[in-house]
Amino acid sequence: DGGITQSPKYLFRKEGQNVTLSCEQNLNHDAMYWYRQDPGQGLRLIYYSQIVNDFQKGDIAEGYSVSREKKESFPLTVTSAQKNPTAFYLCASSIEGTGYTGELFFGEGSRLTVL
Amino acid sequence: ILNVEQSPQSLHVQEGDSTNFTCSFPSSNFYALHWYRWETAKSPEALFVMTLNGDEKKKGRISATLNTKEGYSYLYIKGSQPEDSATYLCAFITSGTYKYIFGTGTRLKVLA
Repeated sequence: DGGITQSPKYLFRKEGQNVTLSCEQNLNHDAMYWYRQDPGQGLRLIYYSQIVNDFQKGDIAEGYSVSREKKESFPLTVTSAQKNPTAFYLCASSIEGTGYTGELFFGEGSRLTVL
Repeated sequence: ILNVEQSPQSLHVQEGDSTNFTCSFPSSNFYALHWYRWETAKSPEALFVMTLNGDEKKKGRISATLNTKEGYSYLYIKGSQPEDSATYLCAFITSGTYKYIFGTGTRLKVLA
């Protein structure tokens, strides 16, 4: 089945450690996104990529980094510079990027807890 | 700062009841509005993509309307069933930046 796979589902990290969340899609979509969810808040955009080897910062990019070396993969690294990394992270994709009105396709998310 | 508000935050209804939720968004720079259903432990799935003022969309017992001039969209569920229990998200897409701005969602629980 086509879709988006995020791993791991749950991750625990000690303070000061970097951690990478995986996001893979087999939908042949050009655009991919990373969102963060915190209690009582809407999904907030961390980074997005409209095409391979290109990505842009979203609204809350500080302390995060991404890469887009392959069309199907968009990993997110949560660095030790992220002050409050404990959150639920959702990856999404869409057929096209800017200007496209169509739906986003989401993974099931990764919950990161910093101990 | 663009803000998308959803109300109510949560509600419980009895099986068979009809219900509706509201998504309020800025009335300027409208490009599109999405509704998503997000069941626990699953991924959010798109219900509707709405782009024109006055749009009405329907999928089974669920329908949605759009008023871009006043900045709101309603989602209706007719004859709620336990499987409708989920969080319903709306996302507003702005012209210019084309970013998706999500509301906090309405959490629906349908009691059998």
